[in-house]
Amino acid sequence: ETGVTQSPTHLIKTRGQQVTLRCSSQSGHNTVSWYQQALGQGPQFIFQYYREEENGRGNFPPRFSGLQFPNYSSELNVNALELDDSALYLCASSLRTSDEQFFGPGTRLTVL
Amino acid sequence: ELKVEQNPLFLSMQEGKNYTIYCNYSTTSDRLYWYRQDPGKSLESLFVLLSNGAVKQEGRLMASLDTKARLSTLHITAAVHDLSATYFCAVEPSNTGNQFYFGTGTSLTVIP
Repeated sequence: ETGVTQSPTHLIKTRGQQVTLRCSSQSGHNTVSWYQQALGQGPQFIFQYYREEENGRGNFPPRFSGLQFPNYSSELNVNALELDDSALYLCASSLRTSDEQFFGPGTRLTVL
Repeated sequence: ELKVEQNPLFLSMQEGKNYTIYCNYSTTSDRLYWYRQDPGKSLESLFVLLSNGAVKQEGRLMASLDTKARLSTLHITAAVHDLSATYFCAVEPSNTGNQFYFGTGTSLTVIP
């Protein structure tokens, strides 16, 4: 059984740029959630995708957007990057929309 | 505004000692999760608590849930150095069913 994978591991961007982060869910999981974890804080829910549709969103602006593909992998897109977007971005997959979530290794994004 | 508060935020304890980490939350929920995070790493699932009065134990860690008091505890028995990490609780509110709200985290250091 393959766990949750994310790419890239690290990323450096400058303010105003756009970034795409990728996540492959654990085998058999149809739900993917994205979280932002700033340094020294707990993860904050960005949004969740279930069967290719957004299924809940946290308190993040529209420049944070996502996609889920038929194979249940997912992308997180962030436009017009700001310095405060620097964080660890975690992807988590689960069997259903309300179930234990298994986290990937994360993508460390640095915005300069 | 939903709040998930953990205390203490920082905990330094000697090997062999016992201690309890508390997680208080401000919403209705029957589901609470505990995760462990090592520095620079992702989140590792420790416990899934799905009902009032649930108690789970794994090794030197035991977690419990009191939904009426909106309180979960993570008890550490006879701490060892390998338990040094940051511990997060996460609440899944009943009215959302899919969004995890994480606590502030408790950074545990076990001193040999």
